[in-house]
Amino acid sequence: DAKTTQPNSMESNEEEPVHLPCNHSTISGTDYIHWYRQLPSQGPEYVIHGLTSNVNNRMASLAIAEDRKSSTLILHRATLRDAAVYYCTFHNQAGTALIFGKGTTLSVSS
Amino acid sequence: SAVISQKPSRDICQRGTSLTIQCQVDSQVTMMFWYRQQPGQSLTLIATANQGSEATYESGFVIDKFPISRPNLTFSTLTVSNMSPEDSSIYLCSAPVQGNYGYTFGSGTRLTVV
Repeated sequence: DAKTTQPNSMESNEEEPVHLPCNHSTISGTDYIHWYRQLPSQGPEYVIHGLTSNVNNRMASLAIAEDRKSSTLILHRATLRDAAVYYCTFHNQAGTALIFGKGTTLSVSS
Repeated sequence: SAVISQKPSRDICQRGTSLTIQCQVDSQVTMMFWYRQQPGQSLTLIATANQGSEATYESGFVIDKFPISRPNLTFSTLTVSNMSPEDSSIYLCSAPVQGNYGYTFGSGTRLTVV
């Protein structure tokens, strides 16, 4: 069973920020939250991960709720190349498998 | 970060035959994972492959259908045996990235069974 809940799809315009939400109410205190994206005809690509604090990298920002039961992936300025399926997931031990939910299909319009 | 080379990238196979998919990682990893992605769907974990021991299969997947080898810390194969059209999917391998909690994925094998 999927342990995360995400909207099926979202739309954005180029150059605008995008906030992709994820609910993970069964997360435990030691679980890391991960986000991946999958471009058409490619394998998933790591985007960002975090435990408790908000995280930033060159691709995106991750905002984690105080109770850790939800998180938001933030793309600060969407581009056409950001059109993909975005998956959030979590796990509590490095080296164990990621379990994927259905993900959010992001469409970006020019 | 680690890079996985996966091949073949695609194949069209006759029903009843078998296909072996290979994944080569450019660094040593303890665990490797195999996923199936049916058309328009998310990724489903098939099994976890440890070096030197039998793979651990998820519910709904059995060793006779999806035998896995893990001869060393940089390589793994997944065989799809006695194929039927229902096995038409994308198959992906994955491994954790050293020193990071991220994971890297192969580019996938698109299998069509006719």
